[in-house]
Amino acid sequence: GAGVSQSPSNKVTEKGKDVELRCDPISGHTALYWYRQSLGQGLEFLIYFQGNSAPDKSGLPSDRFSAERTGGSVSTLTIQRTQQEDSAVYLCASSFATGTSPLHFGNGTRLTVT
Amino acid sequence: KNEVEQSPQNLTAQEGEFITINCSYSVGISALHWLQQHPGGGIVSLFMLSSGKKKHGRLIATINIQEKHSSLHITASHPRDSAVYICAVIYGGSQGNLIFGKGTKLSVKP
Repeated sequence: GAGVSQSPSNKVTEKGKDVELRCDPISGHTALYWYRQSLGQGLEFLIYFQGNSAPDKSGLPSDRFSAERTGGSVSTLTIQRTQQEDSAVYLCASSFATGTSPLHFGNGTRLTVT
Repeated sequence: KNEVEQSPQNLTAQEGEFITINCSYSVGISALHWLQQHPGGGIVSLFMLSSGKKKHGRLIATINIQEKHSSLHITASHPRDSAVYICAVIYGGSQGNLIFGKGTKLSVKP
């Protein structure tokens, strides 16, 4: 596709359930990023993938959060045993690997934990 | 502790006015992004800069690395410029580890 695609666009889940959020980056972009934006809060870095290098997981808030990127393309962010404070918009972005490449954002997945 | 501070938080302008949004940061950075987020959530990258000045249409971004400050200017503002403008710095040498400001909500009235 022409842009970064995220699915689902909305997800409502019960506390304690696991959820998977998907990001399909722009073809050819080797860098992929996950961020989240909680209600009334700014954006927060979660994890960053660059090519075949080990991901930068320094932003993951707890061990309930994990992410994979298969084949250097699609990424899945998994939240286990969801909590109400996990409710947020989860945004994915991708870019070329160069230091001056702009970020291209998806439209996000709005997660609501009830 | 806010490592990236934006000002003002909210800004209302009349169509045609020149607008400046400021971003100050306290950490060493390799580059800085200006992002635009429209109602409904879509985020667009406006600029990424590590020195000097960049211009795109009516938008101008400047950065002073020594003073740890960047500005985003909008000339001849228009109601369609109404959005939240977010400054984000690349920190610690990792391209992915962005620290975001809380954003400036701009409303341009016709």
